[in-house]
Amino acid sequence: AQSVTQLDSQVPVFEEAPVELRCNYSSSVSVYLFWYVQYPNQGLQLLLKYLSGSTLVKGINGFEAEFNKSQTSFHLRKPSVHISDTAEYFCAVSDRFKNTDKLIFGTGTRLQVFP
Amino acid sequence: SAVISQKPSRDICQRGTSLTIQCQVDSQVTMMFWYRQQPGQSLTLIATANQGSEATYESGFVIDKFPISRPNLTFSTLTVSNMSPEDSSIYLCSVVETGSPNEQFFGPGTRLTVL
Repeated sequence: AQSVTQLDSQVPVFEEAPVELRCNYSSSVSVYLFWYVQYPNQGLQLLLKYLSGSTLVKGINGFEAEFNKSQTSFHLRKPSVHISDTAEYFCAVSDRFKNTDKLIFGTGTRLQVFP
Repeated sequence: SAVISQKPSRDICQRGTSLTIQCQVDSQVTMMFWYRQQPGQSLTLIATANQGSEATYESGFVIDKFPISRPNLTFSTLTVSNMSPEDSSIYLCSVVETGSPNEQFFGPGTRLTVL
């Protein structure tokens, strides 16, 4: 069964510093990959997705992620964070060939941006 | 993207009672899902809500505990039956829009506390 690992449960960072949130997935089959953000007391918002094509995908709010098939990773990056980026970030994967759209989520990484 | 609403947004319930959560979408969607997010944890898929037929449940979730209805393409309900404090969670519905496969949009969630 597929699984998603987010190694860092919490990432503290100062404002305007770069940040990388790590995500690795277990499956060897073709997958679709997603990053979602959850602000306090809100639902999930899609940040970006990788379906096919260029391995570097750009999302909203200045975030980007790179799909690395050999390392089964999909790390999320932002070159300069803002206080408003403080939130919980979830990496998720779905099986390309099962065509069910079911998502398997990682355990989440809490990004805390300090002034 | 689709606008998704959930009712109620939050509730506090007594042990042994049941609560029905509604999910309404402003456009027709192909897929609807229900997830649970236990306190401080990631999202776990409960079931796929199938229009006009029984929902498809994930391992560990059963229809008697979480009956689901989806009478049409824009509406679904999830009932949490015979609640216990362990059912205290955020329950979220998500949808896949027609024309936007492989991409899920989430509702704002229903925060349930069971005393």
